[in-house]
Amino acid sequence: EPEVTQTPSHQVTQMGQEVILRCVPISNHLYFYWYRQILGQKVEFLVSFYNNEISEKSEIFDDQFSVERPDGSNFTLKIRSTKLEDSAMYFCASLSGSLRRNTEAFFGQGTRLTVV
Amino acid sequence: AQTVTQSQPEMSVQEAETVTLSCTYDTSESDYYLFWYKQPPSRQMILVIRQEAYKQQNATENRFSVNFQKAAKSFSLKISDSQLGDAAMYFCAYVRNQGGKLIFGQGTELSVKP
Repeated sequence: EPEVTQTPSHQVTQMGQEVILRCVPISNHLYFYWYRQILGQKVEFLVSFYNNEISEKSEIFDDQFSVERPDGSNFTLKIRSTKLEDSAMYFCASLSGSLRRNTEAFFGQGTRLTVV
Repeated sequence: AQTVTQSQPEMSVQEAETVTLSCTYDTSESDYYLFWYKQPPSRQMILVIRQEAYKQQNATENRFSVNFQKAAKSFSLKISDSQLGDAAMYFCAYVRNQGGKLIFGQGTELSVKP
C-alpha cells in the first residue's frame, strides 16, 4: 500500500525557534494537507495545497506558518517562531483527487512537536 | 459549509460482538467521499474504509462495513467480531469531489472488553 512519510517523528524545540516538518506525499496524488491534533482533542485543518499553491487555509494558519513543495516530492510545513501552544501532533495527508476514480486520502504517521 | 458530526464520544463493545459508530454530515454537494479513520494510541491515522457518494452499494473491508444513507446524510461504521486491537479513536471524515479539505468529526473512542 502507498505511504505518506513524515520526518521527524518527534521534534523538541525551544519557544521562538523555527521548525520545519517534512512530508513525502504519495507521488501521483494531487492534493496535500497539513493537520494538527493537540493531545486528546479534535483533528484541526491547517492548510491544503494544490497545483503548487495554497488552495485553502484555516485561521490557525497565520503568518507564522508557511508551506512549500520545493522539489516536486517533499512537502514542508514551517513554523517561524514556535509558541508553547504549537505543541501538537502534526499530520501530513495526500489525496488522489481523481474525478470518478477511487479517491484515497492517506495520512503520514505524524510528527509530534513539543515546544518547551 | 460542510460539517461532520459524531455524536458518540465513547462507545464500548464486548470482544467478538458487533458495534456501530454513528456519523452524520451536512453538505450541499452531490459528489463527495466519506472515510473512516482509526487512530490507535500511537496516534497514527489509519484509513479503515471509504465510500464514494455516487455509489449506492455500501463499502465493506473485511470486518468493517458502512451503512451509507445519502438522503439522510448518515455514514455509520459497523465493526463485526470486535477484537481487542480495534480499540482506538475513530474519526469520520468528508471531502468533496476534486479535493478541498478533509473535514473531520469529533471522534468516537471505542473500547473493547475482553
